[in-house]
Amino acid sequence: EPEVTQTPSHQVTQMGQEVILRCVPISNHLYFYWYRQILGQKVEFLVSFYNNEISEKSEIFDDQFSVERPDGSNFTLKIRSTKLEDSAMYFCASSREQGIQPQHFGDGTRLSIL
Amino acid sequence: SQQGEEDPQALSIQEGENATMNCSYKTSINNLQWYRQNSGRGLVHLILIRSNEREKHSGRLRVTLDTSKKSSSLLITASRAADTASYFCATSNAGGTSYGKLTFGQGTILTVHP
Repeated sequence: EPEVTQTPSHQVTQMGQEVILRCVPISNHLYFYWYRQILGQKVEFLVSFYNNEISEKSEIFDDQFSVERPDGSNFTLKIRSTKLEDSAMYFCASSREQGIQPQHFGDGTRLSIL
Repeated sequence: SQQGEEDPQALSIQEGENATMNCSYKTSINNLQWYRQNSGRGLVHLILIRSNEREKHSGRLRVTLDTSKKSSSLLITASRAADTASYFCATSNAGGTSYGKLTFGQGTILTVHP
């Protein structure tokens, strides 16, 4: 069964550095999402992306965050200047249709900011 | 309570018993989904129930939805040790001002003892 894959599985970065988290969504999916889960807290929506544009973003997704689909397979989340509070699990998800089909999640990238 | 609150927060049962988890939400929804998360892994979609449906089955899973009470329940029958995981409900309001983002609850930690 096709899967969403995320790399790296764990990223350790100094505060203030830029990080890029990578995702390969399921190939025939058109809608892409990023979520994060701070340890012990809920999974929180960050951003949705369709047709090379952001469809929706949360309050968390401020100017330090950006997303990109640089080619036909990858979907990336960039955090420009990381803060301690950005430490979390970041999950990528994709779906074939928006809102009426389940979202398929990757195993996440654990981001640790020192 | 916040959107997508699960109850109980933790549930411990013996193999073979049934496990029931409840979820309440506040806003109108298009559909409600249940996900499972094994420790250190991503979210696995279990079942989706649309707002015009009242009950849905999938294998040992039974989900109910009561839109008048803004609540849902997930029943796992004849539980197995492999069912040990965290279970989350997630609501979607796609078609309104939302574009498919999922709003997750805090989750129920289910432990099934062999």
